Amino acid sequence: QKEVEQDPGPLSVPEGAIVSLNCTYSNSAFQYFMWYRQYSRKGPELLMYTYSSGNKEDGRFTAQVDKSSKYISLFIRDSQPSDSATYLCAMGNAGGTSYGKLTFGQGTILTVHP
Amino acid sequence: NAGVTQTPKFRVLKTGQSMTLLCAQDMNHEYMYWYRQDPGMGLRLIHYSVGEGTTAKGEVPDGYNVSRLKKQNFLLGLESAAPSQTSVYFCASSYTTGYTEAFFGQGTRLTVV
Repeated sequence: QKEVEQDPGPLSVPEGAIVSLNCTYSNSAFQYFMWYRQYSRKGPELLMYTYSSGNKEDGRFTAQVDKSSKYISLFIRDSQPSDSATYLCAMGNAGGTSYGKLTFGQGTILTVHP
Repeated sequence: NAGVTQTPKFRVLKTGQSMTLLCAQDMNHEYMYWYRQDPGMGLRLIHYSVGEGTTAKGEVPDGYNVSRLKKQNFLLGLESAAPSQTSVYFCASSYTTGYTEAFFGQGTRLTVV
């Protein structure tokens, strides 16, 4: 079983829809949680970052972390065609030799059609 | 400020050939990483470095070697390429403390035939 599980999709939604992307994980040592966005043939770029449990909002994007359930989510409101990309969840902890290393989910391919 | 730059962007190798992928960062980051990305597998860590002169194995290190002779450069070597190493390779770098966002390069598409 992978440490981080993410539904690969693909997910196709109409413009303006609310999108929900999710990851589950098994390593209780994970302390920080990130969402990366990757456009086709590009490197991933950081979209959202949260530390420990809770919510974080940035414009149309909201990241949620529920450490008790080992579950994280990314919500995109009023989705736009420019949001079409692969979304990768990533997690890490700050302890010992694991410091700085990220464990990624498989990525969810999202298409927002006009 | 170029960020993280990977060279080359594309390469086709024959089985058994060797090559080196170069990663350069201009952000004075201590940590650098090499990942491979395959369909349905996400990003998997090959090797990483926590500082100049140090390297360590990641999740999938077999068949690869790395070197970090200078702080700004991290080299990934394939001594005898195999078709299973066909993948997209990403280099990344990050700060050492606190918030550890990883900054990625544009990737190297490698095909081994």
